[in-house]
Amino acid sequence: GQQVMQIPQYQHVQEGEDFTTYCNSSTTLSNIQWYKQRPGGHPVFLIQLVKSGEVKKQKRLTFQFGEAKKNSSLHITATQTTDVGTYFCAGWSSGANSKLTFGKGITLSVRP
Amino acid sequence: NAGVTQTPKFRILKIGQSMTLQCTQDMNHNYMYWYRQDPGMGLKLIYYSVGAGITDKGEVPNGYNVSRSTTEDFPLRLELAAPSQTSVYFCASRSTGDRYNEQFFGPGTRLTVL
Repeated sequence: GQQVMQIPQYQHVQEGEDFTTYCNSSTTLSNIQWYKQRPGGHPVFLIQLVKSGEVKKQKRLTFQFGEAKKNSSLHITATQTTDVGTYFCAGWSSGANSKLTFGKGITLSVRP
Repeated sequence: NAGVTQTPKFRILKIGQSMTLQCTQDMNHNYMYWYRQDPGMGLKLIYYSVGAGITDKGEVPNGYNVSRSTTEDFPLRLELAAPSQTSVYFCASRSTGDRYNEQFFGPGTRLTVL
């Protein structure tokens, strides 16, 4: 079945450093979504990418969908302590029985 | 709008007990989902529903049951609790206006089975 992979599962950065994480799918995706979960909280939708090569920005966060629609990246410029949390990517498969598969997430910690 | 609400927030069960996790949404969403989240394992889909009266199994349905009698409510039933069901359970919903709309998650129920 479809697999969505996020490696590594944990990353620690110094406040002010940039951070990039990747998401890879075993199959071509219709679209990809990113969610953020703060410690003790629930996942909150950040963004959705649909087109091949699409790039979207939200303040210091930049999201990109790969040309082959099998991978995605999240880049955070100048991390802040408010960026702490777990970032999940979730991909919708193509076809009639499309379903959403979540990656295991990457937990980001930021040292002040 | 309250969005997606879940009760209870926390629960401790003994092995073999049963319980129902409640989920309600006030956004008139047709699609509703139940996920479980174990540490480091992401979100696993238990059951989902595309509308009142229609439910289907997800990735990890064993040991659970659901019903969908109204658009608003999507309860999850554990019949014979087992330690393997210790987890955080999230309910989510989304609209059908755009097939790939975002999912709105509830605050979760933290369940421990001892």
